[in-house]
Amino acid sequence: GAGVSQSPRYKVAKRGQDVALRCDPISGHVSLFWYQQALGQGPEFLTYFQNEAQLDKSGLPSDRFFAERPEGSVSTLKIQRTQQEDSAVYLCASSLGWGQPQHFGDGTRLSIL
Amino acid sequence: EDKVVQSPLSLVVHEGDTVTLNCSYEVTNFRSLLWYKQEKKAPTFLFMLTSSGIEKKSGRLSSILDKKELFSILNITATQTGDSAIYLCAVERGSQGNLIFGKGTKLSVKP
Repeated sequence: GAGVSQSPRYKVAKRGQDVALRCDPISGHVSLFWYQQALGQGPEFLTYFQNEAQLDKSGLPSDRFFAERPEGSVSTLKIQRTQQEDSAVYLCASSLGWGQPQHFGDGTRLSIL
Repeated sequence: EDKVVQSPLSLVVHEGDTVTLNCSYEVTNFRSLLWYKQEKKAPTFLFMLTSSGIEKKSGRLSSILDKKELFSILNITATQTGDSAIYLCAVERGSQGNLIFGKGTKLSVKP
């Protein structure tokens, strides 16, 4: 597609449930990033892939968060045993590579009840 | 600790006014500084700055970077209601490539 596509746009889950968020980057983009954006804040880095390799996961807040990009294209961010503090907008961004601008998707707004 | 600070946090102007948004940073291994516009949805890329003193311009928007004083400004001339948005400043670290964002400046342009 022309831009970064994320699904679902909105997700409501009960505390304790597992969720999976999908990101389809711009075709040909090697680098893929996940960010978490709380209300009124700037996005915060979670993890980074170059092709299928996860090169940096230092921003993942706990071991309940897991991300993968098995074929170097689509990526999934999984959150296990969700908690209320996981409620946020999760943004995915992709770029052609190191030093190139990142382009963002519309995000998934996650609400944990 | 790496940080990006934007000011002001919010700003209300009238159509036709000129605004200047500020971004200062303290980041190890600086590679570039980026500006994004965020309305209801995705942050939209505006500018990427890597060199000091070279102005980047796109229509009524322009931006410049000062790597000695560690700041950047984003100027918007002849503002329109469609410029109302949150403007995010981010710094890319060369060692990792991830972006560190400021909290953003919320700009409201009144008719």
